[in-house]
Parts: sequence; structure tokens; C-alpha cells
Amino acid sequence: DAGVTQSPTHLIKTRGQQVTLRCSPKSGHDTVSWYQQALGQGPQFIFQYYEEEERQRGNFPDRFSGHQFPNYSSELNVNALLLGDSALYLCASSLAGESSGNTIYFGEGSWLTVV
Amino acid sequence: AQKVTQAQTEISVVEKEDVTLDCVYETRDTTYYLFWYKQPPSGELVFLIRRNSFDEQNEISGRYSWNFQKSTSSFNFTITASQVVDSAVYFCALSEANGYALNFGKGTSLLVTP
Repeated sequence: DAGVTQSPTHLIKTRGQQVTLRCSPKSGHDTVSWYQQALGQGPQFIFQYYEEEERQRGNFPDRFSGHQFPNYSSELNVNALLLGDSALYLCASSLAGESSGNTIYFGEGSWLTVV
Repeated sequence: AQKVTQAQTEISVVEKEDVTLDCVYETRDTTYYLFWYKQPPSGELVFLIRRNSFDEQNEISGRYSWNFQKSTSSFNFTITASQVVDSAVYFCALSEANGYALNFGKGTSLLVTP
């Protein structure tokens, strides 16, 4: 049973560029969330996708956008990269419809460095 | 607004010692869920436990145990007879009843030395 998979694992971008990160949820899961984790901090919620729509969004600018595909996989796009966007980006998957607080599984993340 | 506080930034213990990681939370919701995750250097967050606000029973899983006290808004995590493999960053998190966003604390870095 495949867990949450993310790609790429590491990447380096230049300020002003755009980046796309990808996530495949755990088998059987239909909901994908994205988190940003700066060094030495806890993960911060970016947004969540369910049924190909953004269901909830955290306090992140519009430069951060996402997409969910019919197979439940998801992409996180960040435009006009800033140095402060350097972080570990974590994808989490879960199954909607269970009692609230269903177990949420995380991938190993994508390490983004902006130079 | 929800908030999770993990006051201990770093803890260092010698193998076989018991260690408790503190977690204090704030929420106006009557229904909510509390989580603990372990993050090894690889970066992946490993799920340890989920507890809902209506279940205050303590839980034990092997060397791990959790103490949930609504009266003090705390959800503390104890590792008994710690091992080197327990070295990691541990995060406490809180979510609304609808199970959407997780609000994480800043984490506690645990170092267990031989």
C-alpha cells in the first residue's frame, strides 16, 4: 500500500521563478492538504483540496495556488518566488467522510531552496 | 483562533530515561482533535496518535503514553525508557471538528544519547 509520495524531493530555484510541486495521496484517500514548514518551525497550513476544489485555505498569498486532478493527485504552484519561500513543503492526505479528525498521513516533503 | 504551545524547544536525555513532552492548546471549539506527530531527519511526519475532545482517557502504546486533561488544556506525551531511535522532533497539533487544517506547535526536539 503506497503511502503519500511527493516529487521532487529537493530543488533549487531563483527569486522570481515559479515552481510546481507534486503529490500523490495514499491509496484510497481523496483529500490532499499542503503545508509549508520553515526551518525550526512547525508546519503551516496552506490549503486543502477535495473533489478538485480548494476547500479551505490558510494565510498564504495568492502566489500560492494548487490543483487536484481526477485521480486525487495534487500540485502546488508558487509564483514569483521569494527567498522566504525556502522551506520544506509537505503534502498530507486523508479520507473525507470519516468522523472528523480522521488520520492524516504525510509525505516526506519537497525541500525548496530559493536563491 | 486555535493555538498550540510546545514550551520545550529542546530536550536531551540519556537512554532509558523517561521523558515527557508538554503540549498546551487553546480553542473555542467544543469539538476538536489533538494529534502527535514524530518528524525524523528525513522530514516525513509520522502519525503517533489522535484524540478527540470527548475522550479524556489516557492511552498507552508500548513505551508511549499520552495524558489528555481538558481542565488544563494539555495533551502531554511521555516516552518511557527512551531509546536512541526516539531522537526526532515531535509536534503536537490541533484541528477543528471538521478535520480540515492542522494547527501545529513549534515542536520539541528530543535527543536521546547512549
